[in-house]
Amino acid sequence: KAGVTQTPRYLIKTRGQQVTLSCSPISGHRSVSWYQQTPGQGLQFLFEYFSETQRNKGNFPGRFSGRQFSNSRSEMNVSTLELGDSALYLCASRFRDPYNEQFFGPGTRLTVL
Amino acid sequence: KQEVTQIPAALSVPEGENLVLNCSFTDSAIYNLQWFRQDPGKGLTSLLLIQSSQREQTSGRLNASLDKSSGRSTLYIAASQPGDSATYLCAVGSGGSNYKLTFGKGTLLTVNP
Repeated sequence: KAGVTQTPRYLIKTRGQQVTLSCSPISGHRSVSWYQQTPGQGLQFLFEYFSETQRNKGNFPGRFSGRQFSNSRSEMNVSTLELGDSALYLCASRFRDPYNEQFFGPGTRLTVL
Repeated sequence: KQEVTQIPAALSVPEGENLVLNCSFTDSAIYNLQWFRQDPGKGLTSLLLIQSSQREQTSGRLNASLDKSSGRSTLYIAASQPGDSATYLCAVGSGGSNYKLTFGKGTLLTVNP
């Protein structure tokens, strides 16, 4: 069974640009969550999608947005990039309800110059 | 607001030692608790998931316990090996309908040969 995949693995952008990250969950998993990891703040929850609907959102500005497609694949978009957006962005999937284990992808390393 | 603390922040031990990593959380209304391992620059690997109704889970040389009422979990690693060197993260699943994982900052473990 294939794991969670994320593309691209590495990305370099400049301030003011926008970026789109992609996540493909494990087959059969309908929930996709996104997390940001930085050395200072650690891992922080961005949002969760389930059946194409945003179910929960963390405390991030509106520049961070996402969506989920009918095949459960998810994309995350960050507009007007700032230097502080440099981070490892991790995506996780689980089968359905909160009792299920979350599985993480390898992450996308975003560097903003 | 759920807060998760991991102690110690870093730990260095000789190969073969048994060790304990600690995790504490402020809100005992949790669904579950998950321990992860993260190698440098990589994604998260799930080690153990403990449901709120369980007291412990075991996988190979790993044993995780949960005391929900006191807001504590421990990860016990038996007979440590250099390959166990990594950052270990504790994540608490809570939030009811707004379920999300709240992570600690992690314990950086180094096992010396």
